[in-house]
Amino acid sequence: DTEVTQTPKHLVMGMTNKKSLKCEQHMGHRAMYWYKQKAKKPPELMFVYSYEKLSINESVPSRFSPECPNSSLLNLHLHALQPEDSALYLCASSQPDSRYTIYFGEGSWLTVV
Amino acid sequence: AQTVTQSQPEMSVQEAETVTLSCTYDTSESDYYLFWYKQPPSRQMILVIRQEAYKQQNATENRFSVNFQKAAKSFSLKISDSQLGDAAMYFCAYKGAQKLVFGQGTRLTINP
Repeated sequence: DTEVTQTPKHLVMGMTNKKSLKCEQHMGHRAMYWYKQKAKKPPELMFVYSYEKLSINESVPSRFSPECPNSSLLNLHLHALQPEDSALYLCASSQPDSRYTIYFGEGSWLTVV
Repeated sequence: AQTVTQSQPEMSVQEAETVTLSCTYDTSESDYYLFWYKQPPSRQMILVIRQEAYKQQNATENRFSVNFQKAAKSFSLKISDSQLGDAAMYFCAYKGAQKLVFGQGTRLTINP
């Protein structure tokens, strides 16, 4: 059972919609991540929050907007997405130091129509 | 930049047999960590095993073990007594000072 919980599991949205993906962890981790994964490909890092501050943005388009309200929660706000943004979005968490393992949630399947 | 290479896009094994998945990496860092993650059709990325680069002893977790060859920058995963539930995509991953870097993955099929 995962200790990183993502909602919703599936989301279908139009290109003009605004939606959000949510992630919650109860492991006391202080680093949280968003990854994007296309079919048959490895996950690609999008954002990293460390101690609730954005520390890495991998040149992600502004139609993706992350938010970290507190140390347990991570959101990804979606607006004006394109069909090519359809993918599995994985949330993950760890302690901020590089020695610590990153644990993943079950992912949110996003389809943009 | 660090890179991770998995040269076997697909592997298959008979149930109860042993299979080895290959992984090589490239880095100039001296302190790093290596992982194998499993991603079944349910799509959750599950940690299988982890190896600290400073440890000479190979990590083992039940039926899963690694062969870590630091000089050769090789990190293979051996699955013993393969079970149907082991069928999944397996990703080798490297973690140094920066982000987690994944290989392209190996799809493992278990034949009953």
